[in-house]
This record gives sequence, C-alpha cells and structure tokens, in this order.
Amino acid sequence: DSGVTQTPKHLITATGQRVTLRCSPRSGDLSVYWYQQSLDQGLQFLIQYYNGEERAKGNILERFSAQQFPDLHSELNLSSLELGDSALYFCASSAPHRGGRDTEAFFGQGTRLTVV
Amino acid sequence: AQKVTQAQTEISVVEKEDVTLDCVYETRDTTYYLFWYKQPPSGELVFLIRRNSFDEQNEISGRYSWNFQKSTSSFNFTITASQVVDSAVYFCALTGGYQKVTFGTGTKLQVIP
Repeated sequence: DSGVTQTPKHLITATGQRVTLRCSPRSGDLSVYWYQQSLDQGLQFLIQYYNGEERAKGNILERFSAQQFPDLHSELNLSSLELGDSALYFCASSAPHRGGRDTEAFFGQGTRLTVV
Repeated sequence: AQKVTQAQTEISVVEKEDVTLDCVYETRDTTYYLFWYKQPPSGELVFLIRRNSFDEQNEISGRYSWNFQKSTSSFNFTITASQVVDSAVYFCALTGGYQKVTFGTGTKLQVIP
C-alpha cells in the first residue's frame, strides 16, 4: 500500500459527460501529480500541484482541470468526455526533498475510466 | 527537455534466467533523480528504486540490481533468477528540479515457467 488513495477505482460513463476523480496523498506529502496511461500514449504527465498551487503542467487537455484543496487532496475533472479519454488515471504524491526538489513519487492504484 | 528511452518493448525469458532491462536518459539538469517502477498485471505502479545523479554506486536488493552509468546516461535494471511473479511492465523515469517525472514507454517482461 503506497498510502495514496484514489477513488473511484473504476468508472464507466458516456461520451459528453463529466467526471471527477479524487486523490488523497500520503500523509505529509505536499505535491500531487496526475498522470494518464493509455494504450497508445503510455504514461503521460498531466499536471502537478504543490500545497494548493499549480506547479507544472504537462499534456493536459483544456477539457480537463484539476485542483488541490487546503487539506491537500486533489481532484481531476474531466469534461465533454470522448472515447479516446478512456485510460487509467494515476495520482501520485511526493514529499519535498531538501532544496525543494521532489524525489520519489508514490502512486495510487489508479482510476480506470471507460468512456462508452 | 528530458527524455527517457526504453528500447526494449517486450522481453520474454524462461524462469530462473537473468534479464536486464535497459534505460537511457537525456537531461540538461546537473542534479536529477532516476527511478524504476513496476506495473504488474493488476495495474498499480510500484516504486522500486530512486537514484540521484551524484551517486553512481550500483545497488543490489535481493534479486534486483541497478547499474547507473553517468558516462553513458544509462540506468539499467537486472533481475537475477527471474520468477513468474516478476512478469510486469517496468518503467524507468527521470526527474530534475521542480519538474514532473518523465517516464519511458516501459518494457513488458514476461517470465515463462
């Protein structure tokens, strides 16, 4: 058990809908990352939050958004869903290392999203 | 820009054979971290090791060993006496500074009994 909790584990929804994925980081970790793993794109970084603030942005679509709340949990919102959004979405958290660099990220078990 | 290359897409070995998974990386950072993660068929990502760029000592943990060579920008992973439970996709990853972790495309290892 990595200590990172993601809910739900599985989600099936129709095209055009909106879903929210939730992540609770490990206790004490300030950074939360979201990744998308699809068959054709591999593991793609979406976005990072650090202590409530957006820190880095990757290949995140405009239809997607995220936020990190004061209690450090994070949500990833996916809207106007398309068939191609079907993927495994991972959340990871890490603690800041000395000097501010994040080190190892521990991953949740992922949310498998199926868009039909 | 950072890049991680895992040239081996899929490897099959017979149980008890040794197998090495290759990882080559590119980064302009002078300080960076390298990782290996395992993704078993169940789907979760399991952290295996972190290595910082200043520490080139090889590491052994049970049947797992890692060979970090800065001169060739490689961080290879060897499993000795492979077992069926080692069957998984293995990802090499890199991070430097305040950056996200960049993953390789993964190597799927199949250990045949």
